Amino acid sequence: EVQLLESGGGLVQPGGSLRLSCAASGFTFSSYAMSWVRQAPGKGLEWVSAISGSGGSTYYADSVKGRFTISRDNAKNSLYLQIDSLRAEDTAVYYCAKAFTMVRGAPPDYFDYWGQGTLVTVSS
Amino acid sequence: EIVLTQSPATLSLSPGERATLSCRASQSVSSYLAWYQQKPGQAPRLLIYDASNRATGIPARFSGSGSGTDFTLTISSLEPEDFAVYYCQQRSNWPPRTFGPGTKVDIK
Repeated sequence: EVQLLESGGGLVQPGGSLRLSCAASGFTFSSYAMSWVRQAPGKGLEWVSAISGSGGSTYYADSVKGRFTISRDNAKNSLYLQIDSLRAEDTAVYYCAKAFTMVRGAPPDYFDYWGQGTLVTVSS
Repeated sequence: EIVLTQSPATLSLSPGERATLSCRASQSVSSYLAWYQQKPGQAPRLLIYDASNRATGIPARFSGSGSGTDFTLTISSLEPEDFAVYYCQQRSNWPPRTFGPGTKVDIK
């Protein structure tokens, strides 16, 4: 059974930093691109960042480029998101999501498994 | 960036009724469109991929159609557990992967 378990969210002041983690199990982690998708309170879904299976390619939404850093440790079956220079508009539930299709080096297509999410609240 | 719009924003129906949800893309996405269901407090669930293919375990009452810029998700007969928010998402253009704003299906 595929499981994704996020952690690391919390309350942080504007300008602060957080590191989100996602522990994966039940599939060959290194074979799949992974993404972070966020959802502001009462709002829709926004793709934030993605990383290839090998970790060699990373991608970011324009809204977070330069402030967020995605990484993975395939030996630990873990995905990470380093979030710096946090803004109020970054307040959201952050989900890690597995790519639907296993294509070496390709970006994620759709998202077939999601974690339960971790809430990041940016407020003074 | 491809923008997805969904209509209506809210659909009020009764159990047993047919639901028809629309997703329109700002440019052609071929058949590269998915639909997700999200219930309150839960993560999204993949329902349909590549416009018309049901994901594993998705009941047959869910069907998708369309290509190019216009897509439809149909729920043939609403079950109580189908009242939720539905999002479309495209994989034609990268980056980014974009989602529509969602359609809420609520109980009339």
